[in-house]
Amino acid sequence: GEEVAQTPKHLVRGEGQKAKLYCAPIKGHSYVFWYQQVLKNEFKFLISFQNENVFDETGMPKERFSAKCLPNSPCSLEIQATKLEDSAVYFCASSQWSRRASSYNEQFFGPGTRLTVL
Amino acid sequence: GESVGLHLPTLSVQEGDNSIINCAYSNSASDYFIWYKQESGKGPQFIIDIRSNMDKRQGQRVTVLLNKTVKHLSLQIAATQPGDSAVYFCAEKKGYSTLTFGKGTMLLVSP
Repeated sequence: GEEVAQTPKHLVRGEGQKAKLYCAPIKGHSYVFWYQQVLKNEFKFLISFQNENVFDETGMPKERFSAKCLPNSPCSLEIQATKLEDSAVYFCASSQWSRRASSYNEQFFGPGTRLTVL
Repeated sequence: GESVGLHLPTLSVQEGDNSIINCAYSNSASDYFIWYKQESGKGPQFIIDIRSNMDKRQGQRVTVLLNKTVKHLSLQIAATQPGDSAVYFCAEKKGYSTLTFGKGTMLLVSP
């Protein structure tokens, strides 16, 4: 599609339950990024993919968070055993390779998934 | 100014005024900078970008200025409108590295 799509829009989980979020990047974009935004503050980078390969996972809390981008499927971010502090809006963004810049450039963001952990 | 906890730096302007939003970035090696606008309940929306080999770039009603000497980025919005009310974020990166976002600034435009 021409926009980044994220589902669901809202997700409510009890503490300890699993949460799974989905992202469909813009068609033709080879990079996908996941961010966490708490209380409209800064964006905390979690993980990025180049096609189905992990590109950068330096922001990913390894114990409970995992993510995948498989061919012909939406990308996913999964949180096992959610905690109260996981409550946030999770944004997915996608970007395409710029030959001129020899890098990816502008990231296009989806509308986010609001996760509330009770 | 610095944001603490839930409090974002806020700029309040009258409709029709020019607005200037500032950002201090952290990495002197960053070669690419972006300004995003985030309206309530939505994802960030691209406004304008600039590479480190430039010091000024203009778009429609917006201008980005880059001062690499003091690691400062600014976004100027001409003839600010109520629809410009949002939180504005600057972001930077170097090469393949991940985009690093700064703290947001809330712009409030009153009619």
